[in-house]
Amino acid sequence: DAGVTQSPTHLIKTRGQQVTLRCSPKSGHDTVSWYQQALGQGPQFIFQYYEEEERQRGNFPDRFSGHQFPNYSSELNVNALLLGDSALYLCASSRRDRNEPRSSLFFGSGTQLSVL
Amino acid sequence: QKEVEQDPGPLSVPEGAIVSLNCTYSNSAFQYFMWYRQYSRKGPELLMYTYSSGNKEDGRFTAQVDKSSKYISLFIRDSQPSDSATYLCAIWGNQFYFGTGTSLTVIP
Repeated sequence: DAGVTQSPTHLIKTRGQQVTLRCSPKSGHDTVSWYQQALGQGPQFIFQYYEEEERQRGNFPDRFSGHQFPNYSSELNVNALLLGDSALYLCASSRRDRNEPRSSLFFGSGTQLSVL
Repeated sequence: QKEVEQDPGPLSVPEGAIVSLNCTYSNSAFQYFMWYRQYSRKGPELLMYTYSSGNKEDGRFTAQVDKSSKYISLFIRDSQPSDSATYLCAIWGNQFYFGTGTSLTVIP
């Protein structure tokens, strides 16, 4: 059973460019969340997708946008990259209909984005 | 004020020691508390979760929640070199809020 897969693993961009990161959720999961983890910090919630719509958003500017496809996979897009966008971007999947405590986030290994 | 605060360490202990990791949180309405472990260049993986107050034990790991003081702890008994990782506390409050993580090294 494949877990959460993310691509690419590493990416180097320059300021002002645009980037797209991709995520395939764990089998059986229908909800995808994206997190930004700066060096030495905990993950910060960007947004969550369910049924191909953005359901919830953290405190991130509109430069950060996303998409979810019918097969539940997801993309994170960042426009007009800033040096401060350099971070590990984590995708986490879960099952929205599970009646259990909010403990079922499964993370991928992340995409390390460096903005020069 | 941040929703959850965590001492970043780093923490270095000899093999076999008891490790105590701690976080404080700001909102008394929070009910779900989690601990994640993150190895270098990997995503976090769920270790334990607790609902409301009390203790929960899983093998060498014990998670403790004290709602009166808004304090959560993770204890690791008989620590092993394979426990060397960053430990993140997390709280569910309409979204997940993570601490900054505590880096732990267990020395053989």
